[in-house]
Amino acid sequence: GAGVSQSPRYKVAKRGQDVALRCDPISGHVSLFWYQQALGQGPEFLTYFQNEAQLDKSGLPSDRFFAERPEGSVSTLKIQRTQQEDSAVYLCASSLRGARAYEQYFGPGTRLTVT
Amino acid sequence: AQSVTQLDSHVSVSEGTPVLLRCNYSSSYSPSLFWYVQHPNKGLQLLLKYTSAATLVKGINGFEAEFKKSETSFHLTKPSAHMSDAAEYFCVVTLSGYSTLTFGKGTMLLVSP
Repeated sequence: GAGVSQSPRYKVAKRGQDVALRCDPISGHVSLFWYQQALGQGPEFLTYFQNEAQLDKSGLPSDRFFAERPEGSVSTLKIQRTQQEDSAVYLCASSLRGARAYEQYFGPGTRLTVT
Repeated sequence: AQSVTQLDSHVSVSEGTPVLLRCNYSSSYSPSLFWYVQHPNKGLQLLLKYTSAATLVKGINGFEAEFKKSETSFHLTKPSAHMSDAAEYFCVVTLSGYSTLTFGKGTMLLVSP
């Protein structure tokens, strides 16, 4: 379909490993968001892109987290030296525009488990 | 800063009875408010949104919500629950500027036959 896709859907990493999570937004969507959803909690904002520009990364929990969207479409969230507290579902969303009224379309998420 | 409080972590109803999921928000200016639903192993789906137009907002699947500024509330209702409504529901407010979303902790809706 034409929705937001994320890969992998599930990732198990040993503590200290690096991981890369991919997001394919809906074609033509200008804005892209990453959220982190811990077990039993609502999603929390991580970072925001408008085209290839990362306009807000205030939600990234540490400098081990890095996101990029080099060509303004696909985005990758990278976590270096994973820790157990990084275990969560990582959600990607895209929106046609950046204005508040525009709906965000969410992908199914990547469930990361750090052992 | 903006925040939302969902007053119930779980709500249980019988099929065919009304649904009420409560949400209060805190905002320093006129907010945009949303309700999203999350079914198990599925992505978040927008139910409805309020963006300073009509205060009573109708959404998909028979849900609606009323924006009450005096009470800083945005409660979600449905006249008659269906088994397929069982899911987790999130009340959401936007931060200032662009459309970064701030989610509540969620309310799990349980529907019994």
